[in-house]
Amino acid sequence: DAGITQSPRHKVTETGTPVTLRCHQTENHRYMYWYRQDPGHGLRLIHYSYGVKDTDKGEVSDGYSVSRSKTEDFLLTLESATSSQTSVYFCATSERRGGTDTQYFGPGTRLTVL
Amino acid sequence: QQQVKQSPQSLIVQKGGISIINCAYENTAFDYFPWYQQFPGKGPALLIAIRPDVSEKKEGRFTISFNKSAKQFSLHIMDSQPGDSATYFCAASPQTGANNLFFGTGTRLTVIP
Repeated sequence: DAGITQSPRHKVTETGTPVTLRCHQTENHRYMYWYRQDPGHGLRLIHYSYGVKDTDKGEVSDGYSVSRSKTEDFLLTLESATSSQTSVYFCATSERRGGTDTQYFGPGTRLTVL
Repeated sequence: QQQVKQSPQSLIVQKGGISIINCAYENTAFDYFPWYQQFPGKGPALLIAIRPDVSEKKEGRFTISFNKSAKQFSLHIMDSQPGDSATYFCAASPQTGANNLFFGTGTRLTVIP
């Protein structure tokens, strides 16, 4: 998994609670991404970062925020979790612009919102 | 709206057979087409990728065929093995603009011994 860890690996939470997922990389890659994976949808980009404190929205960013204060860490926050955010979340990194460079994925976090 | 359409959703192949997964796109700005392989409980991993200046790319038993005029590309797995059983995702990305990789919906491949 190219030195990418995600925590927690599993989480069950209740609707309306805040949730933060963490991605940590040891590759010193500039670009980092958060995806969600759902049956019938494949992987969809939530947010990405192109440097420390530089982030932008992906195609399904509503209800999510991100922060990147260090090169190695990228946090995904659900301010008030909803059942529709039950999903498997993957972090990815790339050395160069990820659309045309290899993206390396972490092991995923399975989030269940009750 | 799915930017990359992938079929079939699932595929069962006998050991030694050929597995074929197809993808189609509409956005002519796409010019990078990777395939990712995902085993249960793991994150996806890049398998092979192609750019539209070539019609075919082969790496071992895995081949991408690309038809630019039809806006279609496919993954062929020759001599399929039980260890190839996984979910395969095609994807596409534009050369410029937003930093987005658009994924297909995935194909679950099962290779029967």
